[in-house]
Amino acid sequence: EAQVTQNPRYLITVTGKKLTVTCSQNMNHEYMSWYRQDPGLGLRQIYYSMNVEVTDKGDVPEGYKVSRKEKRNFPLILESPSPNQTSLYFCASSLAAGGWETQYFGPGTRLLVL
Amino acid sequence: ILNVEQSPQSLHVQEGDSTNFTCSFPSSNFYALHWYRWETAKSPEALFVMTLNGDEKKKGRISATLNTKEGYSYLYIKGSQPEDSATYLCAFLNGGTYKYIFGTGTRLKVLA
Repeated sequence: EAQVTQNPRYLITVTGKKLTVTCSQNMNHEYMSWYRQDPGLGLRQIYYSMNVEVTDKGDVPEGYKVSRKEKRNFPLILESPSPNQTSLYFCASSLAAGGWETQYFGPGTRLLVL
Repeated sequence: ILNVEQSPQSLHVQEGDSTNFTCSFPSSNFYALHWYRWETAKSPEALFVMTLNGDEKKKGRISATLNTKEGYSYLYIKGSQPEDSATYLCAFLNGGTYKYIFGTGTRLKVLA
């Protein structure tokens, strides 16, 4: 089944404890992206990747890191999480960033930073 | 940050009513406009990808139009059903940066 998977789905952590949220897609997609969803603010793009080893900042990259060593995986790293990073996170992928390609979203990861 | 605005923020309609929402976006660096349907506790699902000025797309009772010159897109739902209840998101893809800017969505509730 074609899908985008994220792990974990739910996470409670404490300030400063490094964590990684994994994202994997099995559709051979080139474009992958991370978003955060906060009430009243809509989905905001954190980082995106046009292809392997190519990553760029979205609109809210502060406090996050990403890597794209393989086409299928795009992990989101919080080196020192803070309470303002409590949010719902979505990973998404599309065949290419060609405009006509739709994005497929993962199931979401709900993060609480205490 | 370029703004994408959606209106109205929320909408309650009766079953069988037709309705429409608006998405306004920057008219410069346009590459594509996406519409998504987002049900509570699920992930956003793509409805339409629109790339050309004057585009009209249709899927069942849902259709969308695009005006890139003036920077707006309309989403129409004909004969709303309770299962249409969801948040409808639009997203602008910037052709210079390949960044997506999402609107905050229109929350639709269809009353039986």
